[in-house]
Amino acid sequence: GENVEQHPSTLSVQEGDSAVIKCTYSDSASNYFPWYKQELGKRPQLIIDIRSNVGEKKDQRIAVTLNKTAKHFSLHITETQPEDSAVYFCAASLNQFYFGTGTSLTVIP
Amino acid sequence: DAGITQSPRHKVTETGTPVTLRCHQTENHRYMYWYRQDPGHGLRLIHYSYGVKDTDKGEVSDGYSVSRSKTEDFLLTLESATSSQTSVYFCAVTASGSLYEQFFGPGTRLTVL
Repeated sequence: GENVEQHPSTLSVQEGDSAVIKCTYSDSASNYFPWYKQELGKRPQLIIDIRSNVGEKKDQRIAVTLNKTAKHFSLHITETQPEDSAVYFCAASLNQFYFGTGTSLTVIP
Repeated sequence: DAGITQSPRHKVTETGTPVTLRCHQTENHRYMYWYRQDPGHGLRLIHYSYGVKDTDKGEVSDGYSVSRSKTEDFLLTLESATSSQTSVYFCAVTASGSLYEQFFGPGTRLTVL
């Protein structure tokens, strides 16, 4: 089956700086790559996604890039704010979702 | 929240007892999923359903069974709970009209003593 690796496991940034989280996947047939944000004690919330026929997608301060050749995709958060502090999960999907192990992001005011 | 509720929200049980978790949705979504979330493992798919009475296994299905007798309810059963099944369980749906996006329920925290 698919194997998704996510790095780093923890990330601390100063407010206003950028944060980058990276994921790699193993199955070249995977065609959908969502990112979820999970606050403590809450459900995962979809924040952005990208399909395999697209290289980059942006939504305000967040963006996702996909390199199909290298089988990796990344989440970029610019102008970070304290409310961005959460655990972020990537996933790769063909018929089932396979999640990374999460990145705990802390934005220091 | 895609109209998803889960019950119970918290449960403590003892090893060897049967446990059933319920996922209820009000928006007629066809696809429903059960995940477990554990530290260091992220979210892992247990079982999923693609219609009434149509279910299939995910990557961690051992020790779990599911049933879907009507569109709105997807039940997860632990026939004989073990301590390794202590976890947070999330139900999810694929939104109607979408092929891909999954939305999660609020979760059930299960502790098996």
